[in-house]
Amino acid sequence: LAKTTQPISMDSYEGQEVNITCSHNNIATNDYITWYQQFPSQGPRFIIQGYKTKVTNEVASLFIPADRKSSTLSLPRVSLSDTAVYYCLVGPGEYSSASKIIFGSGTRLSIRP
Amino acid sequence: SAVISQKPSRDICQRGTSLTIQCQVDSQVTMMFWYRQQPGQSLTLIATANQGSEATYESGFVIDKFPISRPNLTFSTLTVSNMSPEDSSIYLCSVDRGASTDTQYFGPGTRLTVL
Repeated sequence: LAKTTQPISMDSYEGQEVNITCSHNNIATNDYITWYQQFPSQGPRFIIQGYKTKVTNEVASLFIPADRKSSTLSLPRVSLSDTAVYYCLVGPGEYSSASKIIFGSGTRLSIRP
Repeated sequence: SAVISQKPSRDICQRGTSLTIQCQVDSQVTMMFWYRQQPGQSLTLIATANQGSEATYESGFVIDKFPISRPNLTFSTLTVSNMSPEDSSIYLCSVDRGASTDTQYFGPGTRLTVL
């Protein structure tokens, strides 16, 4: 499983766009990139998953360059409620009984008024 | 989406005792996972539980300490046996979303404190 590296913490202000970058230099050809969000006293919540280029949903966008050695989670116009820990994971996206996900250290995002 | 509940939500236990944590899902799922999250830390996978087979444990976790049951496709239990203060943690169960094991639904967690 490819190891991921992300900033330990980030600060931003309400209304700003926040970009969290994750490095995964050893990503394998069949690996997908997945991001989770965890609020205090809650389990992680799936945000977005992608393989290459750009993926967008109602919550965030995920940008993946051609070499796939990094990815950037983009949160548009953050609010105080986006304060959470964000985890980047890399692993095989196909369903397999042998697959499992490994959480890295995550990025603690703090949003200020 | 899957709705996952865990019981108890929190507990305070004495050293040497055991606690069984229940995880209930509102739909049938193939794979269920148990994680531990120590205060301020990331999540660590304890084991994977498939219905009809023995759980698969990760390095550092053994069945005698963390026995797991998976009697059907909507339910699983994790027991923390012979507890010590080092077992104080949040224990979370999760299930696969059916598309891939990278995308999982997580329960709210059980906060365990061992005195």
